[in-house]
Amino acid sequence: DIQMTQSPSTLSASVGDRVTITCRASQSISNWLAWYQQKPGKVPKLLIYKASNLESGVPSRFSGSGSGTEFTLTISSLQSDDFATYYCQQYNNYSPITFGQGTRLEIK
Amino acid sequence: EVQLVESGGGLVQPGGSLRLSCAASGFTFSSHWMTWVRQGPGKGLEWVGNIKQDGSETDFGDSVKGRFTISRDNAKNSLYLQMNSLRVEDTAVYYCARDQIEYGRSYDVFDIWGQGTMVTVSS
Repeated sequence: DIQMTQSPSTLSASVGDRVTITCRASQSISNWLAWYQQKPGKVPKLLIYKASNLESGVPSRFSGSGSGTEFTLTISSLQSDDFATYYCQQYNNYSPITFGQGTRLEIK
Repeated sequence: EVQLVESGGGLVQPGGSLRLSCAASGFTFSSHWMTWVRQGPGKGLEWVGNIKQDGSETDFGDSVKGRFTISRDNAKNSLYLQMNSLRVEDTAVYYCARDQIEYGRSYDVFDIWGQGTMVTVSS
């Protein structure tokens, strides 16, 4: 199975900051990567798919990039609503679906 | 409104069985692959398995393969997860999720999620 490793596991930041979360795959997944946001006690929400495509309704301050084995999720200017846990997920057709362990974004 | 609503969770003893249901509304259920994802207490997301639009294909994660089955009834817009030989480590919130369709093609990206149903395996 393809292992997905996110870094950092926890990130402290302030409103207005630019933040980047990294996700690394144990083997190439082309651009078959999605990002989700999950707030405490809430359902995961799709943010980005195919590495860089913004899901409808998601604010443009969110962006994704990368291909192969290294990917990033960037929030250009943090808002209070963005403090949550973020997960990457690979969906390479030749391997079972796997998620990263999550990155908790907390208020500094 | 596009919606998924899970039901059927509860407390079960190790070795027992449980059947979860997921009722879909607001979209053409029969057009989508559907997926189950779980999340243990304080843990991350884990893919459980999925089922093709017509129910002819299913796939499962290694941790549940041989113990769980997925089925669907497109006439009732419903998805099911049959869980047998349950273990303590199966304790989790179980979400049903809709696979994305883009330009007529289905992808293992989950654009709609249910609220989840809690399954607790304990003696």
